[in-house]
Order: sequence, then C-alpha cells, then structure tokens
Amino acid sequence: AQSVTQLGSHVSVSEGALVLLRCNYSSSVPPYLFWYVQYPNQGLQLLLKYTTGATLVKGINGFEAEFKKSETSFHLTKPSAHMSDAAEYFCAVSDPNTGGFKTIFGAGTRLFVKA
Amino acid sequence: NAGVMQNPRHLVRRRGQEARLRCSPMKGHSHVYWYRQLPEEGLKFMVYLQKENIIDESGMPKERFSAEFPKEGPSILRIQQVVRGDSAAYFCASSPAGRGNGNSPLHFGNGTRLTVT
Repeated sequence: AQSVTQLGSHVSVSEGALVLLRCNYSSSVPPYLFWYVQYPNQGLQLLLKYTTGATLVKGINGFEAEFKKSETSFHLTKPSAHMSDAAEYFCAVSDPNTGGFKTIFGAGTRLFVKA
Repeated sequence: NAGVMQNPRHLVRRRGQEARLRCSPMKGHSHVYWYRQLPEEGLKFMVYLQKENIIDESGMPKERFSAEFPKEGPSILRIQQVVRGDSAAYFCASSPAGRGNGNSPLHFGNGTRLTVT
C-alpha cells in the first residue's frame, strides 16, 4: 500500500524567504509523485510531477521538488515566497502499474506568507 | 470550458435526505475519481470509475454511498439518508490514463460543498 506523510500542517514564511514543504512517501514500487496546490474554494491544480528520469523537477510558479529515493522524500521548495503563494499544498503518490491513476494524497500543508 | 465540471457547487440537505453530486470529466477523459475532503484531513480517495464500470471503491463507505459513470452523461455520487458527518467537500477528478500509462495527472473540478443540517 502507498502512503504520504506531510510534515507540518501549517508553515509560515516571510515574503521573499525560502519555502520548504516536506513530503515523505511509502511505496512498494517506484512511484509517481506529485505536488498539487489548492486555493480557497477551488479544486486542486498540479504544480509538478515526477515520473521517471531527472530527479529534480521544476513546476509552475517557480516551485521545484527533488525525488530522493534513499530518503523516500519529495520535498517542495521555492527560493523566494510571494504573497500569492499562500494556499494549501498536497503531496501525492500513485502506482504507475495500476490501471488509471488512483492517487493517494497527504493531509496537506497550509502555507502562510507574511508581508 | 473544457475542464472538469462539478455541480452543484453548494448543496444543503437535511438529515435523512438524499444528495446527488454530478461530475462531467474533461473532454476525452474516460476515468473518473471521487475524493472527499474534510477540514485538516486532506483528500480521501473514495471511488475510481471508468465508463459503466466501478474499478476501485475501496474508499467508499459500505452503506448509503454509491457511484456510477454511465455510458452517456456525467458521473454521479449518491449519498442516501445523509447525516451530519457527511458534510464535506467532494471533489471529482478525471484522467485519460489507461493501464500502464500513469503519466497523466488528475484534473480536478472545483468541488461540491455538502452541508447537512
């Protein structure tokens, strides 16, 4: 079975500071990994994904994440936070060998950005 | 708008009534997933459907909940005899991926917020 653990349900940073949102996963097979962002009263939007190949993946809005198999981690970073980054972020994992795309989500990390 | 469409956006039901939530997937997508989101709990997988088939309903409560994705029309998540604990945001997502082709992420609708009074 697959699972995702996001460390810290709330993270607060100052505008311009580094954003680091932590995600660890558990999977019996090489997983596909994702970060999604959710703004209030909206659905989830894909930020970035890792499937195969380069372990450092770049996404939209200046975010990137690095897949570290030895640490079973997929932390999300952004060098400089912007007020518009305030939202909830979800790490997710799926098994590429199953039919379709059943995806397991972490509990989410709410990012606050202080002026 | 070619995105995933969910309706209604907000639904209020009294205890004991039925709730029907609708989801039209993105054009060309044949896989639909329903998730439930409770405050501070993230998204919980409920059910995965393809046209006319339930593929995985391991996250669906055994009683009162059902889902379908007919050959024609939207996918429907149905909750019978709603209780206050059913109050949540229900999200539908779709994907075009088939077996062995997991390279397409989920595309989400904006959700239906169910309130049971």
